[in-house]
Order: sequence, then structure tokens, then C-alpha cells
Amino acid sequence: QQQVKQSPQSLIVQKGGIPIINCAYENTAFDYFPWYQQFPGKGPALLIAIRPDVSEKKEGRFTISFNKSAKQFSLHIMDSQPGDSATYFCAASSNNGNQFYFGTGTSLTVIP
Amino acid sequence: GAVVSQHPSRVICKSGTSVKIECRSLDFQATTMFWYRQFPKQSLMLMATSNEGSKATYEQGVEKDKFLINHASLTLSTLTVTSAHPEDSSFYICSATPFEGRTGELFFGEGSRLTVL
Repeated sequence: QQQVKQSPQSLIVQKGGIPIINCAYENTAFDYFPWYQQFPGKGPALLIAIRPDVSEKKEGRFTISFNKSAKQFSLHIMDSQPGDSATYFCAASSNNGNQFYFGTGTSLTVIP
Repeated sequence: GAVVSQHPSRVICKSGTSVKIECRSLDFQATTMFWYRQFPKQSLMLMATSNEGSKATYEQGVEKDKFLINHASLTLSTLTVTSAHPEDSSFYICSATPFEGRTGELFFGEGSRLTVL
């Protein structure tokens, strides 16, 4: 059973566009929701993360929107650039960080 | 963010040999380290969870005798692929979560590309 469901699987946007990647979860015990960015041949890098006590978090061009009642969270990339082309994974964690569940990933391509 | 170093980044070995991959947390102590395997264009597949000083917990379907994990200290975990075969060729990634502070954060190594000939 997939603990975290991520969509879309792939996404293509023009430079300057705002790609949105969505994730949904079922387990209300999750209390930490990070997003990771992965370039080919590299390990994932923590991009931004949110906890359930806030509905939005912004860091630079990256914003997480969190809807606790709907058990959904999403990543928005403002003014996307070709350098943002990568695979993005959402995740959810509980139990003080001893368990992490990852989405299936979204391959983002930003066209110049 | 915190730094996790993984070594080697690439390794090529002959079938039947064993390969060791190291994962080090450089600026924090890691109570828990995770090992993942990733196939091309796919998500991260958790292989095992290791806690310092205790035996690793393997995910269903992962052969514990083939993938030996040792978490000898709060900053080092190793994955040894024993008697490697071509089907073990993959991208292996470790990650670590801090002992205290920044609860819940998870940091990844750069990954190790294993090719078994």
C-alpha cells in the first residue's frame, strides 16, 4: 500500500511557468512533510519541508501548500528555470523520524 | 543543510566479489541510517533501516545475507553487497537522520553506482 501518493508522474512547463506537484497521504500520524530534488546520478537533496501546524511555507521560489483536513500537500515552483529540471519526491515522516515514506517521484522538465 | 558523505560514488566489480559502500554523517550524529536502492527513473526503494549498535531491520524481500549492513558508530554505516551478481547492479543511496535537534529531517548521500560485470 502506497503511503504517499504523488502526481503527476511527469510534467513539462515553459520557463517562467509554475509547476505544481501534488501529494496525498492517509496516515494522520505523519508530522513532517519534506520535498526532495534529485538530479540524474545524484542523491536526493532536501529542498523544503513543512510541519502540520502551518498551511504554507515559502523558501525562495519554492512553496509548500499544506491542507491538513484533506491530507494533501503540494510543491509550487515559481518562475521555473531550466535548472529546475529534475525529479522531485515528496515524503512523509512520523515516529520521530524513524520512518519515512516517499512518493513515486515527478520528473519535471522546464523548457527554455 | 547537514552533510552525508557516501563512498565510493562509482564501483565496478566482477561477478562473485563483494563490495563495501560507506555512508558517513559529517556534521551530525545519526541515530538512524537508511539504505535505498534506486532503479533508473524509479522511486527510492527502502532496503533496510539501521540503528547504531543494533542489527539492521530489512524490508521484505531484501536478502539480509546478501546485503550486509553495519552501523558501527553514530556517524558511519556500511553496506556490503556480498557475492555480487549482474542483477545487483544499481544505484545505492544512504540517508541519515540526526540524533538530536532538527527532528525528522533526513539527509541523503550522493549515491553509489554499482556495476557488476
